[in-house]
Amino acid sequence: ILNVEQSPQSLHVQEGDSTNFTCSFPSSNFYALHWYRWETAKSPEALFVMTLNGDEKKKGRISATLNTKEGYSYLYIKGSQPEDSATYLCAFTDTGRRALTFGSGTRLQVQP
Amino acid sequence: DTGVSQDPRHKITKRGQNVTFRCDPISEHNRLYWYRQTLGQGPEFLTYFQNEAQLEKSRLLSDRFSAERPKGSFSTLEIQRTEQGDSAMYLCASSSAWREGYEQFFGPGTRLTVL
Repeated sequence: ILNVEQSPQSLHVQEGDSTNFTCSFPSSNFYALHWYRWETAKSPEALFVMTLNGDEKKKGRISATLNTKEGYSYLYIKGSQPEDSATYLCAFTDTGRRALTFGSGTRLQVQP
Repeated sequence: DTGVSQDPRHKITKRGQNVTFRCDPISEHNRLYWYRQTLGQGPEFLTYFQNEAQLEKSRLLSDRFSAERPKGSFSTLEIQRTEQGDSAMYLCASSSAWREGYEQFFGPGTRLTVL
């Protein structure tokens, strides 16, 4: 049984704060690690897909890193804005399957 | 807009009734997935199609659930004799083998409430 853990479960920050979340996943049979942002009443939006150990990806103020050997990924948001408020989900795929195994998500609330 | 669409967005039904949801994937994507998300949890995999073939089903997909993807285009998910425990957000996603890591693109979901 695959287990994907995310921490923290929720986070309240002030506008302008930088923040980071953690995703841990099984280190064996790794294929890809996905990060999604999910705002209420919208579709989950793909942020990053990472497949190689040591991958670092960036999109605007958001960046992510990947360590497949120890089984973790970090998502960083620099200078949080109220529009960053959402649930951030990470998901893992292994080499044998195409389905995503999700963590429970980190709910971020950014106060103006 | 060429994203994944789902219909309906909301469905309220009484226990014991049958419901059917539809998903239209991104047109060039040959893989289609169904997930279910309940409050406080991440989405959980239900089933997966490659073209019209259903290649994998989760243990979560009881006999009351059936999914189809005729002609490898849109897909339907039917729940027969709904139970209150079926109340959840049902998400559809699609992907192409040409995207890195088989990146999946999600629709907005159908929120089912069983009374």
